[in-house]
Amino acid sequence: DTGVSQNPRHKITKRGQNVTFRCDPISEHNRLYWYRQTLGQGPEFLTYFQNEAQLEKSRLLSDRFSAERPKGSFSTLEIQRTEQGDSAMYLCASSPAGADTQYFGPGTRLTVL
Amino acid sequence: SQQGEEDPQALSIQEGENATTNCSYKTSINNLQWYRQNSGRGLVHLILIRSNEREKHSGRLRVTLDTSKKSSSLLITASRAADTASYFCATVGLYNQGGKLIFGQGTELSVKP
Repeated sequence: DTGVSQNPRHKITKRGQNVTFRCDPISEHNRLYWYRQTLGQGPEFLTYFQNEAQLEKSRLLSDRFSAERPKGSFSTLEIQRTEQGDSAMYLCASSPAGADTQYFGPGTRLTVL
Repeated sequence: SQQGEEDPQALSIQEGENATTNCSYKTSINNLQWYRQNSGRGLVHLILIRSNEREKHSGRLRVTLDTSKKSSSLLITASRAADTASYFCATVGLYNQGGKLIFGQGTELSVKP
């Protein structure tokens, strides 16, 4: 089954460290989305790509966050100088352009100590 | 910040009963979708209803949409223990070209055998 995959599934880090997450979308999907979800809340949109172009970024995406999708396939989300408030589940989703349904990966759970 | 609110936040029922959760949103939409999330996992798309539709069915799921009240409901009939999960509504804004989803806070459903 070639669904959306995310690595790592869990990451524990100390405050101030940098972390990077990877998302591999479904192969024929050219849109890729990142969301963040804190406990007891719904996911919040962070950013999305169409192919390699980052077309929209949320105000939630501070300058410590950067996302890339260099070849229009996998994407990385980096958080620099992590803070305890960054602790959350980071979800990736993909879809074909023009489609409304998104397919989510299992998420990466980040804990910042 | 999230688009909508869901009511109730938590619901506990017996197997075989029907479960209803309601979602309200704030801005004009292109479509509204419902997703399910098992504890600590990614989201799974359940059903999509477009702004010009009023009701849609899929298996044991029935969704209604009232754009004049900016609200939607999800009905799960003949619930099963396996339906235990969190259910989220998500909207795609009317002028949103990228398809980003704006989620509600979710309803946590517990179905007891």
